[in-house]
Amino acid sequence: DVKVTQSSRYLVKRTGEKVFLECVQDMDHENMFWYRQDPGLGLRLIYFSYDVKMKEKGDIPEGYSVSREKKERFSLILESASTNQTSMYLCASSSGIYTEAFFGQGTRLTVV
Amino acid sequence: DAKTTQPPSMDCAEGRAANLPCNHSTISGNEYVYWYRQIHSQGPQYIIHGLKNNETNEMASLIITEDRKSSTLILPHATLRDTAVYYCIVRVRDNFNKFYFGSGTKLNVKP
Repeated sequence: DVKVTQSSRYLVKRTGEKVFLECVQDMDHENMFWYRQDPGLGLRLIYFSYDVKMKEKGDIPEGYSVSREKKERFSLILESASTNQTSMYLCASSSGIYTEAFFGQGTRLTVV
Repeated sequence: DAKTTQPPSMDCAEGRAANLPCNHSTISGNEYVYWYRQIHSQGPQYIIHGLKNNETNEMASLIITEDRKSSTLILPHATLRDTAVYYCIVRVRDNFNKFYFGSGTKLNVKP
């Protein structure tokens, strides 16, 4: 089975902190994604990557950056956390453009 | 991507088949129907997808009407662990960054 693992289930951070969310997949997938999920808004794509060191902005990249130094790992960085970034963050991976995505268990981030 | 309409909630008795409907009347020819579910506080789990033929895997069956304007996800023998929010999504298969999950259907499996 595909396994997508996010480093933390719950995080509490202070406003202005730099926050790192880590995601690792074990199926050699080329594509990796970061979404955030908020009530009434569904899942919104923040960034995605289709290869090592390659990244593309999604629908809501402002306030975020990403890093993909190795194929299996995709990191989401909140440069200066703000309260409006309190959300559930979901990482996903897929083996190609034309396939389904597999999701991690999610990280619930609270910024206070 | 086509908009989908799902009932907000459904109940099902444990051991019975759960039939979850989805309307996607504006679906276009190259849009696939995907189903995911999300158990409380976990990430979405892929279930099944299809274009126009009915599909079956170890988890569920997907029935798509001939005009493709609606579909039904069938869990043949629902268990308590199938209690979750089920999302029906239609998307162009080459638009891999666009997964809009919407509100979904909360399936309550009862003993």
